[in-house]
Amino acid sequence: KAGVTQTPRYLIKTRGQQVTLSCSPISGHRSVSWYQQTPGQGLQFLFEYFSETQRNKGNFPGRFSGRQFSNSRSEMNVSTLELGDSALYLCASSPDRAPYNEQFFGPGTRLTVL
Amino acid sequence: TQLLEQSPQFLSIQEGENLTVYCNSSSVFSSLQWYRQEPGEGPVLLVTVVTGGEVKKLKRLTFQFGDARKDSSLHITAAQPGDTGLYLCAAGAGSYQLTFGKGTKLSVIP
Repeated sequence: KAGVTQTPRYLIKTRGQQVTLSCSPISGHRSVSWYQQTPGQGLQFLFEYFSETQRNKGNFPGRFSGRQFSNSRSEMNVSTLELGDSALYLCASSPDRAPYNEQFFGPGTRLTVL
Repeated sequence: TQLLEQSPQFLSIQEGENLTVYCNSSSVFSSLQWYRQEPGEGPVLLVTVVTGGEVKKLKRLTFQFGDARKDSSLHITAAQPGDTGLYLCAAGAGSYQLTFGKGTKLSVIP
């Protein structure tokens, strides 16, 4: 099975712009989660989608949003970018019946905000 | 919000040495996961521990879940350069959400 794929791998934006990141989960996985990883804060949960519905959301401002499509692919959007949004954004998928919510991660999108 | 504290933050050792990293919390967990993340990649699941006192072995890696299910440790025997990476512990934080520790960055010097 192919793993989780994320595009693009690298992105450079300027403050005030918006960005859309894409994630394709492992085939058959309907749960997709997004995380932000920074050296200072580590991995922080953004949100989780299942069958096109957001089931849980982390403690991030409304500038961070996401969606999931009927084929389980997911996108996240960050509007009005700030310098502090520079981070590695990781997408993870999980099997429907994963008993402990085990996550399978993609390689991430490295976002740099100038 | 339950916090996972990992120690040490950084560890640099020579090839062949043994090491232990720790993951502690004041909360009780139903399960705990360990991941390893290599530079430029996403974390990869190594193991899930579920039962208090449980010990799991994965080649040279030994994982232990504390009796009270509040802490866990990862012991590596005879470390190799290929073990270099960021080791993360994670636990359930409500429905459909994992909380991660900040990780232990391990460097194994040949």
